[in-house]
Amino acid sequence: GAGVSQSPSNKVTEKGKDVELRCDPISGHTALYWYRQSLGQGLEFLIYFQGNSAPDKSGLPSDRFSAERTGGSVSTLTIQRTQQEDSAVYLCASSLGAVPNYGYTFGSGTRLTVV
Amino acid sequence: RKEVEQDPGPFNVPEGATVAFNCTYSNSASQSFFWYRQDCRKEPKLLMSVYSSGNEDGRFTAQLNRASQYISLLIRDSKLSDSATYLCVVAGYSTLTFGKGTMLLVSP
Repeated sequence: GAGVSQSPSNKVTEKGKDVELRCDPISGHTALYWYRQSLGQGLEFLIYFQGNSAPDKSGLPSDRFSAERTGGSVSTLTIQRTQQEDSAVYLCASSLGAVPNYGYTFGSGTRLTVV
Repeated sequence: RKEVEQDPGPFNVPEGATVAFNCTYSNSASQSFFWYRQDCRKEPKLLMSVYSSGNEDGRFTAQLNRASQYISLLIRDSKLSDSATYLCVVAGYSTLTFGKGTMLLVSP
């Protein structure tokens, strides 16, 4: 596609439920990133995929968070047993290569609200 | 020291003014640097890369000082449409670290 596509754009869920967020990166981009941004805060790195290499999960805040990337393309971020502090905008980005010399292109994000 | 630090602002300037933002970073091994722009409730968008020699794109000039570990962005002849939050971004080997941003408000 022309840009990074994320779905859903908005998600309201009850505390304790699981949610799945989807990201479809730009075609040909081998690197894919998940960040989140809480209200009034900066972007917080979550996880990074590069090709077939093992993902860098160093930013995941707890074991309730996981992500996978199938076929080197689409990625799904899963949050289990959601908590209110998980409410944030979850942003996916993709990049041409492993070293982000060209910067990222972001999707428009999924706004998650846990009630 | 935070990895990437910026003055949150807001910077309130009239149309036509020149405004400058600075940013400092802590990791001297950082490889690449960028400025992103983020409009309210929108995703960040790449504004420009920052090179050691300094670079200009229209009304925007970015500079990097590796010795002092700071980056600057200068906006000349501010437009109402420049109102946004400007994010200073520093790249490591595989990921980008974002500052919390500096808010700019340009008024008529």
